[in-house]
Amino acid sequence: NAGVTQTPKFQVLKTGQSMTLQCAQDMNHEYMSWYRQDPGMGLRLIHYSVGAGITDQGEVPNGYNVSRSTTEDFPLRLLSAAPSQTSVYFCASSYSIGVHYGYTFGSGTRLTVV
Amino acid sequence: QQQVKQSPQSLIVQKGGISIINCAYENTAFDYFPWYQQFPGKGPALLIAIRPDVSEKKEGRFTISFNKSAKQFSLHIMDSQPGDSATYFCAARRSGTALIFGKGTTLSVSS
Repeated sequence: NAGVTQTPKFQVLKTGQSMTLQCAQDMNHEYMSWYRQDPGMGLRLIHYSVGAGITDQGEVPNGYNVSRSTTEDFPLRLLSAAPSQTSVYFCASSYSIGVHYGYTFGSGTRLTVV
Repeated sequence: QQQVKQSPQSLIVQKGGISIINCAYENTAFDYFPWYQQFPGKGPALLIAIRPDVSEKKEGRFTISFNKSAKQFSLHIMDSQPGDSATYFCAARRSGTALIFGKGTTLSVSS
């Protein structure tokens, strides 16, 4: 049982390049979300999904696209990387059963845009 | 507009002391309030969580106090230990959406 798997762990991009951060979970969780973490800013919500085929914007969605074609996968796409997107990115998945929620975070992707 | 405000930004506590971190929220539709602990280079890990129909929840040395009328909740770490030195985040969630986090508190427990 791997939990939430993020790849790659580290990435360096040049300004204007595109890339996809991968996130996969094997817990059959319905909810998945992407966050970015910057010093002093906490974790800010980029996009989230409440189920396959359903996505919505979070606090800082500009410059990022997502899709959710399967329950297991929730990739985050940077179409044209900018230095302001240098950050640590975390993917999370969660279940919701009645009044109980359970969140699991991946180990993160450290992205540098030069 | 910051939906979850956390304070203080940093905290230094002596070993054996009580660490207290506070959070305030605006959206009364939030129905789940967790606290996360994060060590350098790691992802956040759930510490303890509470729902708004409960005023206090205790798990070991960690206690959440919740004040629904004031829209505030706090984390108390009793008998703080050097191993508790980490960054702590409060968060809140509205049903059908995702967690919104505070900006974090860096806790240092001195021995």
